[in-house]
Amino acid sequence: DGGITQSPKYLFRKEGQNVTLSCEQNLNHDAMYWYRQDPGQGLRLIYYSQIVNDFQKGDIAEGYSVSREKKESFPLTVTSAQKNPTAFYLCASIADRGSGNTIYFGEGSWLTVV
Amino acid sequence: AQTVTQSQPEMSVQEAETVTLSCTYDTSESDYYLFWYKQPPSRQMILVIRQEAYKQQNATENRFSVNFQKAAKSFSLKISDSQLGDAAMYFCAYRSRYYGGSQGNLIFGKGTKLSVKP
Repeated sequence: DGGITQSPKYLFRKEGQNVTLSCEQNLNHDAMYWYRQDPGQGLRLIYYSQIVNDFQKGDIAEGYSVSREKKESFPLTVTSAQKNPTAFYLCASIADRGSGNTIYFGEGSWLTVV
Repeated sequence: AQTVTQSQPEMSVQEAETVTLSCTYDTSESDYYLFWYKQPPSRQMILVIRQEAYKQQNATENRFSVNFQKAAKSFSLKISDSQLGDAAMYFCAYRSRYYGGSQGNLIFGKGTKLSVKP
């Protein structure tokens, strides 16, 4: 079945450490997104990519980095520059060029700083 | 740039009653999609209902229906016969039909937390 896979589900990061969250989709979608969600809060856009080898900063990109080397993969790296990374992270994708009207989400990843 | 506003951070409803969640949006486009997503405590995002802007008829999915007012840029969600399992965070989202633009043309509201009282 087509969908989005995020891994790991739970991740612990030590102070000063970089960690990478994986997001893979087999839906042939061009557009992919990373959101951060703090407890009881809404979704805040970190980065998005509308095509391979191109990505744009969202509202809270500082301390994060992404790559889009393959259409199906959009990993998010939480760097040591992100001072408060403990949160729930959601990856999403949509079909391009107006041909799709559904947003697909991964199941999310919990990141905790220890 | 498009924006989506959910003016009710929290709502409460009695079981079996009806509740309406508000959503307004701002856009200069004429063709787009609107969505309501439910996020239970598991954090999984679940599609509740979607509306295509060029369709005048309001979308309905079982106990969930929308009141889509294109001229007023309003897209409210009505939940009838509320059940305990409806308790969740609800997000309104806008998606442009046209490719490109800021934020990939996918915009979310800040969400409304719905509580259902037994």
